[in-house]
Amino acid sequence: NAGVTQTPKFQVLKTGQSMTLQCAQDMNHEYMSWYRQDPGMGLRLIHYSVGAGITDQGEVPNGYNVSRSTTEDFPLRLLSAAPSQTSVYFCASSRSYRDRGSNEQFFGPGTRLTVL
Amino acid sequence: DAKTTQPPSMDCAEGRAANLPCNHSTISGNEYVYWYRQIHSQGPQYIIHGLKNNETNEMASLIITEDRKSSTLILPHATLRDTAVYYCIVAPYKLSFGAGTTVTVRA
Repeated sequence: NAGVTQTPKFQVLKTGQSMTLQCAQDMNHEYMSWYRQDPGMGLRLIHYSVGAGITDQGEVPNGYNVSRSTTEDFPLRLLSAAPSQTSVYFCASSRSYRDRGSNEQFFGPGTRLTVL
Repeated sequence: DAKTTQPPSMDCAEGRAANLPCNHSTISGNEYVYWYRQIHSQGPQYIIHGLKNNETNEMASLIITEDRKSSTLILPHATLRDTAVYYCIVAPYKLSFGAGTTVTVRA
């Protein structure tokens, strides 16, 4: 299994540009999520999905859109990039969200985004 | 969701046990305690979790007090590669990462 994969690894955008960060998992996991991590800070939840066709907002959703058309993929869209969105973005997945004893999450390697 | 409190940092000598405390006094009866760590700028890595019994795996041991209001993660023989930020989390699935404990293992 490749686990959780993210592309690209690095990206530089200009203010106002849009782009999509890709996330995929090959473990047939039900739950997927996106986090951002600013320098010296902990991770903050952006959006999450408990299954195909179901998404919901996390702690810091403004400026981002998500969709979950398949179990495997969970792309994150930046609608109009702003310098405040400069951060490292992590995607994660877990087998189940219903079973609290089986919520261990697997994280991707991250996408490092700079908005000029 | 229950909140957790961890010390901001701690040092440990290589080869010694590292004991990382976490307070979660508002934990509810069916919430599990999860531990993750983040090495440098990599994605967080799952370590261990438990409900009320002590747990052990190849990476660490987890001791949860009888009243479940606190827990301790034990790294039995810390190595330099265990230097990382360690997060204690009580959440159903929407993980809430605080600042964690920065553990520095010294030779």
